[in-house]
Amino acid sequence: GNSVTQMEGPVTLSEEAFLTINCTYTATGYPSLFWYVQYPGEGLQLLLKATKADDKGSNKGFEATYRKETTSFHLEKGSVQVSDSAVYFCALTSNAGKSTFGDGTTLTVKP
Amino acid sequence: NAGVTQTPKFRVLKTGQSMTLLCAQDMNHEYMYWYRQDPGMGLRLIHYSVGEGTTAKGEVPDGYNVSRLKKQNFLLGLESAAPSQTSVYFCASSGLNTDTQYFGPGTRLTVL
Repeated sequence: GNSVTQMEGPVTLSEEAFLTINCTYTATGYPSLFWYVQYPGEGLQLLLKATKADDKGSNKGFEATYRKETTSFHLEKGSVQVSDSAVYFCALTSNAGKSTFGDGTTLTVKP
Repeated sequence: NAGVTQTPKFRVLKTGQSMTLLCAQDMNHEYMYWYRQDPGMGLRLIHYSVGEGTTAKGEVPDGYNVSRLKKQNFLLGLESAAPSQTSVYFCASSGLNTDTQYFGPGTRLTVL
């Protein structure tokens, strides 16, 4: 079956540091790949997505590139802010809209 | 638009009690999902629905039932609650032409 493995946390960074959260996947066919973000006390919300190989998703300074050859979708941001503190989930969607989620990575950014 | 709403936000049950969680979406989405979120385990799919009147089992369906009598509503029932069902429950929906899921704010359930 499908699976998503993402970098274990928690991750603690200073403001303006560079962020990378690794995500690799196993899936049949050609899934769409996502990063969702969850702020404290809230549900998940879409951060960015990519639907085919070599696509780059971007939003709010975050980027991730769909790498089919390495089955990866790593999340990056050049300069994190305190407001980026949240839990980040990598996910894939294949058939019938069903999604498979990673375990989540907690990011804390200190001023 | 309200998006996806969930009722209630919090609930405490005793072992053996029953309850129903309500999810409503106003985006005319075909697909709806119920997940549970436990520390260190990400989201696990309980049940899902691909349209009004249809439901299917997800990864962890035991101890739960669902119904989708109206397109906009998806109900999750616990017939006899157990402490292992203490969790945060999220409902989500998605449309036929989009694979992005839209999540509700969650229901925090504690079973004593």
